Amino acid sequence: GAVVSQHPSRVICKSGTSVKIECRSLDFQATTMFWYRQFPKQSLMLMATSNEGSKATYEQGVEKDKFLINHASLTLSTLTVTSAHPEDSSFYICSAPRGDNEQFFGPGTRLTVL
Amino acid sequence: KQEVTQIPAALSVPEGENLVLNCSFTDSAIYNLQWFRQDPGKGLTSLLLIQSSQREQTSGRLNASLDKSSGRSTLYIAASQPGDSATYLCAVTVGGSTLGRLYFGRGTQLTVWP
Repeated sequence: GAVVSQHPSRVICKSGTSVKIECRSLDFQATTMFWYRQFPKQSLMLMATSNEGSKATYEQGVEKDKFLINHASLTLSTLTVTSAHPEDSSFYICSAPRGDNEQFFGPGTRLTVL
Repeated sequence: KQEVTQIPAALSVPEGENLVLNCSFTDSAIYNLQWFRQDPGKGLTSLLLIQSSQREQTSGRLNASLDKSSGRSTLYIAASQPGDSATYLCAVTVGGSTLGRLYFGRGTQLTVWP
């Protein structure tokens, strides 16, 4: 299957700092990527749709100034959590569709804000 | 709004049993349905993708069926093994402007014991 990578896999930071998470499609191009967050024992919650060459589309209740998304190329989208706080601690996962809209997910990034 | 429900929420069985996991969705106007597997602390692995025009897909010991008109899908796991232990997620994609957006169920947590 297709491969999507995320970096870093785990990050611990102090409250107030910003953290950047990268999502890459390694063997295909993706004009659209999706960012999700997942709390323990919960399913995935879509945060935003990342669009190459245009602004991201955010889901209701997600602060676009807090979670900055940049789709820099057809294989890279970044999510920056600005001024992170402990409540931002979560598991962040990206996905990219390929072919007939089959979604492939990255391995996730565990963010812990102290 | 599309809502996806998975039953049961958890399942614990001895090795060798054949299993059925259920997924239902409220809006039958889907583009496709995908079953994923998630291991603890990991990303999602795509298991099977069923297009809206298809009725079933098979991969090894896995078989997924789709009854779009009734809003149901089942994932059948034959001869279960301890390595099958994971959370299984069902997700649907709707067409139109939200193409690519996945709506997830909360998952079925499967434990297969030796």
